[in-house]
Amino acid sequence: GAGVSQSPRYKVAKRGQDVALRCDPISGHVSLFWYQQALGQGPEFLTYFQNEAQLDKSGLPSDRFFAERPEGSVSTLKIQRTQQEDSAVYLCASSSSTRIVRDTQYFGPGTRLTVL
Amino acid sequence: AQTVTQSQPEMSVQEAETVTLSCTYDTSENNYYLFWYKQPPSRQMILVIRQEAYKQQNATENRFSVNFQKAAKSFSLKISDSQLGDTAMYFCAFMSGETSGSRLTFGEGTQLTVNP
Repeated sequence: GAGVSQSPRYKVAKRGQDVALRCDPISGHVSLFWYQQALGQGPEFLTYFQNEAQLDKSGLPSDRFFAERPEGSVSTLKIQRTQQEDSAVYLCASSSSTRIVRDTQYFGPGTRLTVL
Repeated sequence: AQTVTQSQPEMSVQEAETVTLSCTYDTSENNYYLFWYKQPPSRQMILVIRQEAYKQQNATENRFSVNFQKAAKSFSLKISDSQLGDTAMYFCAFMSGETSGSRLTFGEGTQLTVNP
């Protein structure tokens, strides 16, 4: 169907609040990625799912960051006790990649998180 | 770990002219993929072009073409007949074909402005 969608597009949180960011991948895409993009920089990898399995979470900056994809489709990135340094655009991407086949990643519009 | 370097933070070009954006990368792998993504102010990351390292022929996509020099680890993007809509941030990205994950490693980006 349509491309990758993310919600909300903008989120303002007070320091210490918890936030949840949602990603709807392209239908049928088994792989889902989260990236963090600071202002004026390139995206940096956070975590990767293949179906419902989180195969790589090495990019998560702290244990305040948690991601899940319980049914292998929609994914949620949760940030607990937000800090000002968490302010960034959070990008979600999906692809048909498997362990063997490497396909192009298609990105959503991102969620801009501002922590006051 | 792989690194991607874009040495031109900003570039400008007149409409209808040709511009080349530079990208170098560092890897010890032999099997990998390279990408150019475009990110307009709306921040939706859009695929411009993809190159498989095992292919000797340079990828082309309409007005966009690459100069892939594997030995030099260089991957430049040429935009011909530049259009105002090409104004965007351009990111070069690397994807391993050998490790189990397929995360993208991005460069710092080049802000391209097409002037009328």
